[in-house]
Amino acid sequence: DAGVTQSPTHLIKTRGQQVTLRCSPKSGHDTVSWYQQALGQGPQFIFQYYEEEERQRGNFPDRFSGHQFPNYSSELNVNALLLGDSALYLCASSLRAGMNTEAFFGQGTRLTVV
Amino acid sequence: DAKTTQPTSMDCAEGRAANLPCNHSTISGNEYVYWYRQIHSQGPQYIIHGLKNNETNEMASLIITEDRKSSTLILPHATLRDTAVYYCIVGSSNTGKLIFGQGTTLQVKP
Repeated sequence: DAGVTQSPTHLIKTRGQQVTLRCSPKSGHDTVSWYQQALGQGPQFIFQYYEEEERQRGNFPDRFSGHQFPNYSSELNVNALLLGDSALYLCASSLRAGMNTEAFFGQGTRLTVV
Repeated sequence: DAKTTQPTSMDCAEGRAANLPCNHSTISGNEYVYWYRQIHSQGPQYIIHGLKNNETNEMASLIITEDRKSSTLILPHATLRDTAVYYCIVGSSNTGKLIFGQGTTLQVKP
């Protein structure tokens, strides 16, 4: 089992550009959540996808959007990048249908905006 | 805002038990206590979670007080590889939304 995989591992973008990050959930998981982790801070919840729809959203602007595909994989898109978007972006997968389940995290994508 | 309070940092001698406290006085009846840890520049790693009973797995033990307002994560025999930031999180088990605080930086020393 490959666990949660994210790509790319590192990325450098220029202010104003757009970026797409990808996540493949752990085998058997149907829910994907995205988090942003600034340097020295704990991860902050961005949003969660289940059944190809956004189910929950944290306090992030509309520049942050996502998608979930029928195979449960997911993308995070960020438009009009700002310097402050530089962070580690983490994907977590879980099994929504069951109670008492934990989330598994990928290793993250390190985004640097210059 | 995070629903938990943890000490900023702790030290532990290698081979000794590490006891990491967490306060969650506003926890509601259907919320679980989760513990994750994050080793530098890696994704958070799930450790353990519980509702009201004490739990144990191959990594750690979780002790939850009877009133559920606080808990302690116990690493029975800490090693240098246990040096990490440990996050105590309170949340609903089937939402997948985790609200992280600042966590406790545990430094295991030889």
